[in-house]
Amino acid sequence: GAGVSQSPSNKVTEKGKDVELRCDPISGHTALYWYRQSLGQGLEFLIYFQGNSAPDKSGLPSDRFSAERTGGSVSTLTIQRTQQEDSAVYLCASRDTSSTDTQYFGPGTRLTVL
Amino acid sequence: SQQGEEDPQALSIQEGENATMNCSYKTSINNLQWYRQNSGRGLVHLILIRSNEREKHSGRLRVTLDTSKKSSSLLITASRAADTASYFCATESSGNTPLVFGKGTRLSVIA
Repeated sequence: GAGVSQSPSNKVTEKGKDVELRCDPISGHTALYWYRQSLGQGLEFLIYFQGNSAPDKSGLPSDRFSAERTGGSVSTLTIQRTQQEDSAVYLCASRDTSSTDTQYFGPGTRLTVL
Repeated sequence: SQQGEEDPQALSIQEGENATMNCSYKTSINNLQWYRQNSGRGLVHLILIRSNEREKHSGRLRVTLDTSKKSSSLLITASRAADTASYFCATESSGNTPLVFGKGTRLSVIA
């Protein structure tokens, strides 16, 4: 079946602009995670959605970052007033929590803030 | 914060040789997972080992886990040029929690 998809693949924006990044998880996966990876670094957790529970936002670096998950499926990560330090690859993962501990990752969105 | 620390940061070997990468972590875990990343994009799940397991195999991969030392190793046997990638360990502290990743090991396999 289809894996996790993300769009856009690449996004270049100017400092101060808002951006929206989209994640389509694997159908039926109840858990969805956002991570970001700065150049040459490991992944940093941002936010986690599980079913209808309140999201775990403990990893969001500032109040300029927010995320929604509509209908328990598609998720959008929004970064307001982008800064150059927001430049990174943003990765989304989903998981079927009833059957596996494995998170399946999308290809990521490479965000460049000029 | 990053819990896992991979060692070495970079590894270069000849095709056919074995590659060993190590990972250390700080807190108790539910499981430890190894992922592979090509060209800085999506991660591919390689293998998961639970806290009550000591060793797992999958094809040319062998993973060990020593919870007393809070460390794990990934062994790739008979390496191929196509194994060139970055390898990350990630820990899950309890069920359904986000993974905590290390900074990865960059493996280069020279044909």
